[in-house]
Amino acid sequence: DTAVSQTPKYLVTQMGNDKSIKCEQNLGHDTMYWYKQDSKKFLKIMFSYNNKELIINETVPNRFSPKSPDKAHLNLHINSLELGDSAVYFCASSHDTSGGGDTQYFGPGTRLTVL
Amino acid sequence: GQNIDQPTEMTATEGAIVQINCTYQTSGFNGLFWYQQHAGEAPTFLSYNVLDGLEEKGRFSSFLSRSKGYSYLLLKELQMKDSASYLCAVTRYGGSQGNLIFGKGTKLSVKP
Repeated sequence: DTAVSQTPKYLVTQMGNDKSIKCEQNLGHDTMYWYKQDSKKFLKIMFSYNNKELIINETVPNRFSPKSPDKAHLNLHINSLELGDSAVYFCASSHDTSGGGDTQYFGPGTRLTVL
Repeated sequence: GQNIDQPTEMTATEGAIVQINCTYQTSGFNGLFWYQQHAGEAPTFLSYNVLDGLEEKGRFSSFLSRSKGYSYLLLKELQMKDSASYLCAVTRYGGSQGNLIFGKGTKLSVKP
């Protein structure tokens, strides 16, 4: 019954590794997002996809690449992990873009720790 | 650019009323959301304001003044479970209209 799910919940890895975080939503929404929440709890948009097409790419290093195989999934792949990538990553989805007032529903988050 | 300000921390007593303010300066402002986030959990939706005025939902109400760039979240009959961070977020028209631009959140502690 989980609306927005993410795996894994925790991810601990070494600097320089490549890792992926998966996100799935069963709400039938057209838009999905990735956010990063840093140690100061500041939540910041990274990417937004609408119907499998990228519509927002905030200033994010090229090491981060979102992939959307279908509109229910938005995965985040990170190359060459750095210490500063340690954060909680939240996936979210909304029926349409929130510019129209659509509520975003968040997944449980993935806590990434880079050693 | 955009700027969203809210107090970093607040403390209130169980059963009391607390008002959490949010001021914003952003081009192409469309609407304002409030989210609640308990420690270690995902943000959850509380309210959305696009027109001026007060929206009431049970113990929680949210107010917006577009001309003043100001919103507040009012929590009545505080309960211990209301201890959480409260995030103000704005949306904009234009190319990034899907964005939620979040403030840094207000950590509310409810004491017995």
